[in-house]
Amino acid sequence: QKEVEQDPGPLSVPEGAIVSLNCTYSNSAFQYFMWYRQYSRKGPELLMYTYSSGNKEDGRFTAQVDKSSKYISLFIRDSQPSDSATYLCARGGFQKLVFGTGTRLLVSP
Amino acid sequence: GAVVSQHPSWVICKSGTSVKIECRSLDFQATTMFWYRQFPKQSLMLMATSNEGSKATYEQGVEKDKFLINHASLTLSTLTVTSAHPEDSSFYICSLFSGAESYEQYFGPGTRLTVT
Repeated sequence: QKEVEQDPGPLSVPEGAIVSLNCTYSNSAFQYFMWYRQYSRKGPELLMYTYSSGNKEDGRFTAQVDKSSKYISLFIRDSQPSDSATYLCARGGFQKLVFGTGTRLLVSP
Repeated sequence: GAVVSQHPSWVICKSGTSVKIECRSLDFQATTMFWYRQFPKQSLMLMATSNEGSKATYEQGVEKDKFLINHASLTLSTLTVTSAHPEDSSFYICSLFSGAESYEQYFGPGTRLTVT
């Protein structure tokens, strides 16, 4: 079992839709969970991080962690074509990050 | 956040040759840098942790004699792929660690290596 699992997609939605991206993780020992956005042939950029359980909101983005079910979610409201990218979830611990495979999102105008 | 550059952005080399990839921190003195490898449609996999002035720490399964890492200064880490083979073709990404928590990592734009 991979430590962080993510559906690779692609996920195709029309502009303006609410997007839900999800990951599951297996190791409960780590407290930080991150979402990164990666455009094609570029390095990942940090979108949001959450500590332990609960929600965190930043503009159109909401990150959610459910530790009881070991589930991590990222919601994107009013999706835009510029949101088209690969979204990687990651868990953090002891400086190191473990990434999921990434979900490719396509937002069509 | 910190700004990280990589050079070259894309390199093609012949099988058996060596290739050096540079990772520079432009605005932060990084004691710790990381090197990742990403195959198409796969996740970033940590290869090694590079600490300034000391030997790199390699992840399990990564050949330290094949992937030479040198972190000679607080702003520069290099990854040398020695005797490259086609299976080494991948996207190599470095990051620097700027704080105390794991999310405080900033990534470079990546280097695409193609070995023919």
